[in-house]
Amino acid sequence: NAGVMQNPRHLVRRRGQEARLRCSPMKGHSHVYWYRQLPEEGLKFMVYLQKENIIDESGMPKERFSAEFPKEGPSILRIQQVVRGDSAAYFCASSPIVDEQFFGPGTRLTVL
Amino acid sequence: EDQVTQSPEALRLQEGESSSLNCSYTVSGLRGLFWYRQDPGKGPEFLFTLYSAGEEKEKERLKATLTKKESFLHITAPKPEDSATYLCAVIISGSARQLTFGSGTQLTVLP
Repeated sequence: NAGVMQNPRHLVRRRGQEARLRCSPMKGHSHVYWYRQLPEEGLKFMVYLQKENIIDESGMPKERFSAEFPKEGPSILRIQQVVRGDSAAYFCASSPIVDEQFFGPGTRLTVL
Repeated sequence: EDQVTQSPEALRLQEGESSSLNCSYTVSGLRGLFWYRQDPGKGPEFLFTLYSAGEEKEKERLKATLTKKESFLHITAPKPEDSATYLCAVIISGSARQLTFGSGTQLTVLP
């Protein structure tokens, strides 16, 4: 059973460009979470999604950030017009109906 | 305000030297407490879930315990491969199941 998959593993963008991060949950998991780990800081919750629904986006910045989990395909975290402060590791986690969340390897975003 | 605090921030042990990591929490209601291990450049690896005060879980050299205010991760006779950052997180009752993390304890086990 493959684990949570994220791609790309590393992403470099220039200021003002768009970043798209993808996450494929573990087989049988219908809950997806995105977290951000800024340099020298802890993991912070961003958004919680189920198929075609955003359940909680209380941790997501109000502007430039959006997330989706379509009926088919991976979950996407989209950052428009990136700024240097967006440079971080972005982790996706998935869970079945129980509470344990299993994390992917992360996408490391660098904004030049 | 809901808060998770881990101590110490960093811990260096000799191989075989047992110790404990602490996670104290101040939350409106606890649904569950989770321990993860994170190696550099990788995602957190799930270790344990604890739900009730008095509960204990064990896995190899690790044992996690829970009280009404804190959790301990006991490491018995650690080996160099146990070196990692150990993260504690909680899910708060009534929340949408997001994890609230502490800042972690960076453990180094010297051979």
